[in-house]
Amino acid sequence: SQKIEQNSEALNIQEGKTATLTCNYTNYSPAYLQWYRQDPGRGPVFLLLIRENEKEKRKERLKVTFDTTLKQSLFHITASQPADSATYLCAPPNQAGTALIFGKGTTLSVSS
Amino acid sequence: DVKVTQSSRYLVKRTGEKVFLECVQDMDHENMFWYRQDPGLGLRLIYFSYDVKMKEKGDIPEGYSVSREKKERFSLILESASTNQTSMYLCASSLGGTGTYEQYFGPGTRLTVT
Repeated sequence: SQKIEQNSEALNIQEGKTATLTCNYTNYSPAYLQWYRQDPGRGPVFLLLIRENEKEKRKERLKVTFDTTLKQSLFHITASQPADSATYLCAPPNQAGTALIFGKGTTLSVSS
Repeated sequence: DVKVTQSSRYLVKRTGEKVFLECVQDMDHENMFWYRQDPGLGLRLIYFSYDVKMKEKGDIPEGYSVSREKKERFSLILESASTNQTSMYLCASSLGGTGTYEQYFGPGTRLTVT
C-alpha cells in the first residue's frame, strides 16, 4: 500500500537560515502533492500544491520541489523566522485520487 | 474566506455514550472529511463524503459512522464511545470533482472519553 514518510519528526534551525523538510513516498506515483502548516491546537492550513510535471513551485519564502525519480518532495523555507515555527505536513492523494494521505509531519522550531 | 466550524472545541464523554460531532462549512463545497489526529500517528482519515447522503470509508472507519443530510453539514457519530477514541477530531472540506483542490480544516474537537 502507499506509504508517506516525513523523515524528521523535529527540525531546529536558527533564524535566517533555510529550513529543508523532506517527504518521501513509496509504492505509487502521485499526480501531485500538497503541503500544509499546522499550529498547535489548530487545524492544518494549505500552503502549496505541486504537480508531477512541475519540478519546482515558489510562494514568497517557500519553495517546493517534486522529484518523481527519487519519489521525494522537498519543502524549503528561506530566511526562516521564529513565526515559521510550526508542524509541516505533506499530503499526496491516495492511489484512487479520492482523498489525501497526510504524512506525520515535521515540527520546525526557529530560534532567534 | 472559507469557514469550517466544528460544534465543540473540547468534549468529555463517558464510555458507552453516543457522541455526535458536527461540522459545518459555508463555501458550498462538495467534499467533506473527518480525520482523527494522535501523537505519533498523524492525521488519519475516518470517513469522507463527496455529496449529500454519500459516504466513503477512510482508513479507520471502525467504531464510527457519519451522516450528511445537507451539503454544508457533515456529522461524525461514535455509536458507543470507548477510551481508545480519545483524540483530536478534525473536519475538512474541499471542492469536488477530479481537481487537486486543497482542503480547508476546522479548528478541531478534542474529545476525551473516560
